Amino acid sequence: AQSVTQPDIHITVSEGASLELRCNYSYGATPYLFWYVQSPGQGLQLLLKYFSGDTLVQGIKGFEAEFKRSQSSFNLRKPSVHWSDAAEYFCAVGRNNNDMRFGAGTRLTVKP
Amino acid sequence: EPEVTQTPSHQVTQMGQEVILRCVPISNHLYFYWYRQILGQKVEFLVSFYNNEISEKSEIFDDQFSVERPDGSNFTLKIRSTKLEDSAMYFCASLKQESDIYTFGSGTRLTVV
Repeated sequence: AQSVTQPDIHITVSEGASLELRCNYSYGATPYLFWYVQSPGQGLQLLLKYFSGDTLVQGIKGFEAEFKRSQSSFNLRKPSVHWSDAAEYFCAVGRNNNDMRFGAGTRLTVKP
Repeated sequence: EPEVTQTPSHQVTQMGQEVILRCVPISNHLYFYWYRQILGQKVEFLVSFYNNEISEKSEIFDDQFSVERPDGSNFTLKIRSTKLEDSAMYFCASLKQESDIYTFGSGTRLTVV
């Protein structure tokens, strides 16, 4: 069965520092992979997705993620974090929307 | 940009009461979904709906839950007799085609007291 693990429940970084949020998945075939962001009290906003092709995908708000099949990972990165990036980040995996599974989320705190 | 609209944004209800959570999907979308997120936990799939019937549901979606598209624009989730553990954020999503990416609503926070 598919599953998603986000090992870090909470990460704190200083504004301007680089960021990497980890995501590992278990899936029987090549999955579709997603990162969503959720600001407090808000809905889920898609940051980026990977379906096939180039394993480094660019998303909105300066985020990127790299699919590494050998490591079953899809880590999210940003070179310089802004205070407005403080939010909850969810990795998700699935071949279609009916079997989409979300990770438990990583809460990002940005220090001034 | 078209949005999925959910109302109310926050609902408080007493245990045992019925609640209806409302969603207005994007107008030309055909596939509809409910997800929920218990505070501090992951987002969980509840049910998918297409062509006026449920296409898939999770173990969470028991007999206390039902969905309906009563008038061609709204998509509702009903919980017949709420329990404390139903307290969560409920997200609606819609798609035009199954291969599309979800458009999520901003959610309804349900608090059962």
